[in-house]
Amino acid sequence: QQQVKQSPQSLIVQKGGIPIINCAYENTAFDYFPWYQQFPGKGPALLIAIRPDVSEKKEGRFTISFNKSAKQFSLHIMDSQPGDSATYFCAATSWDTGGFKTIFGAGTRLFVKA
Amino acid sequence: KAGVTQTPRYLIKTRGQQVTLSCSPISGHRSVSWYQQTPGQGLQFLFEYFSETQRNKGNFPGRFSGRQFSNSRSEMNVSTLELGDSALYLCASSRRGAGEKLFFGSGTQLSVL
Repeated sequence: QQQVKQSPQSLIVQKGGIPIINCAYENTAFDYFPWYQQFPGKGPALLIAIRPDVSEKKEGRFTISFNKSAKQFSLHIMDSQPGDSATYFCAATSWDTGGFKTIFGAGTRLFVKA
Repeated sequence: KAGVTQTPRYLIKTRGQQVTLSCSPISGHRSVSWYQQTPGQGLQFLFEYFSETQRNKGNFPGRFSGRQFSNSRSEMNVSTLELGDSALYLCASSRRGAGEKLFFGSGTQLSVL
């Protein structure tokens, strides 16, 4: 119930394409859903986040779509660029026994071909 | 504003030894959480500290422990190292907790031989 399932494991798109990464969760106590981007040798960095009272959020070329009834959310990268090549993690956070707990998906390795 | 600093960057240990990793959060951040990252398991939550108190912990054996000091700096200790403990250990800080934006350090790459 604490898992966050992420797919696909890897993704290759052409420059300008729109890669889509999907995540699903079971625990309805999750109330914050961030996406993190990680480059080799670096820690993850927050890209964009959404709360379950909103169905879509856009920040620049990045969009989160959120379907509360299906317990699914996805990341879309518009006009993808080679510099977007990185590993992307979805996550879900809940308040649990006195503290926050953030559960991460397994990650998606994205490669954008020039 | 300085980011999250983790030391050391790389560490090589042998089975049975113990190791201590250090994390200095962003100034003003009182929450520090620790994660283990491996290629097969992704990012696994270890524990979270807030104002020197452990608020939450993940499903790791008791060999994994941590603490937080009054200046919010945190240390993580792993005793009796096993080969499977080889991983990238990441620490993240935030003002109030993991329910908001986490700022990650670059991690400590631990290799157990």
